Amino acid sequence: IQLTQSPSSLSASVGDRVTITCRASQGISSYLAWYQQKPGKAPKLLIYAASTLQSGVPSRFSGSGSGTDFTLTISSLQPEDFATYYCQQLNSYPRTFGQGTKVEIK
Amino acid sequence: EVQLVESGGGLVKPGGSLRLSCAASGFTFSSYSMNWVRQAPGKGLEWVSSISSSSSYIYYADSVKGRFTISRDNAKNSLYLQMNSLRAEDTAVYYCARTITMVRGVAMDVWGQGTTVTVSS
Repeated sequence: IQLTQSPSSLSASVGDRVTITCRASQGISSYLAWYQQKPGKAPKLLIYAASTLQSGVPSRFSGSGSGTDFTLTISSLQPEDFATYYCQQLNSYPRTFGQGTKVEIK
Repeated sequence: EVQLVESGGGLVKPGGSLRLSCAASGFTFSSYSMNWVRQAPGKGLEWVSSISSSSSYIYYADSVKGRFTISRDNAKNSLYLQMNSLRAEDTAVYYCARTITMVRGVAMDVWGQGTTVTVSS
């Protein structure tokens, strides 16, 4: 299963609403997770089951979708949110990741 | 504190071997499936291999199948990745990650800090 994220990168300002999409090449139900990665750090789980917020993750992060089309939304971008975001499908093996979306400061 | 700590990375020549280890603490290691995920310099995340809690089920990415072997020792709370016939394209930071399976879904919820493998002559 291939995952295609868009855009590959974006520039945004603090306070902006940001939306990242992830499209699967075949249906994966809701077996999708979103991760945040900052330079030199390990990925951090944000959302699992497409829309369930991991404990401790700020509520400005939300996820939606099922089947083949998924969305990660940051409602009001904060300085600490500038990072790269990855989607991952866990419906089947291999456990593929999207190519990543880099969120940069405008 | 729930923690994963990788070790064993380093510089190795093409065709060489390396064994990575991941030490788990702060949770019941034997209850969780575990994974290796890698990231080549400047690139995205690539899933490498997964092993179930009792080692009954093992999966590999096509890119490493036949060259890498994942294993675990639940008595030692440790995960391993034996890497043979290494190639330049295996150069990456290797992360171990825990799989959590919940009613509503599956995810990799705990990650180590990573260990760097460099394959170069």
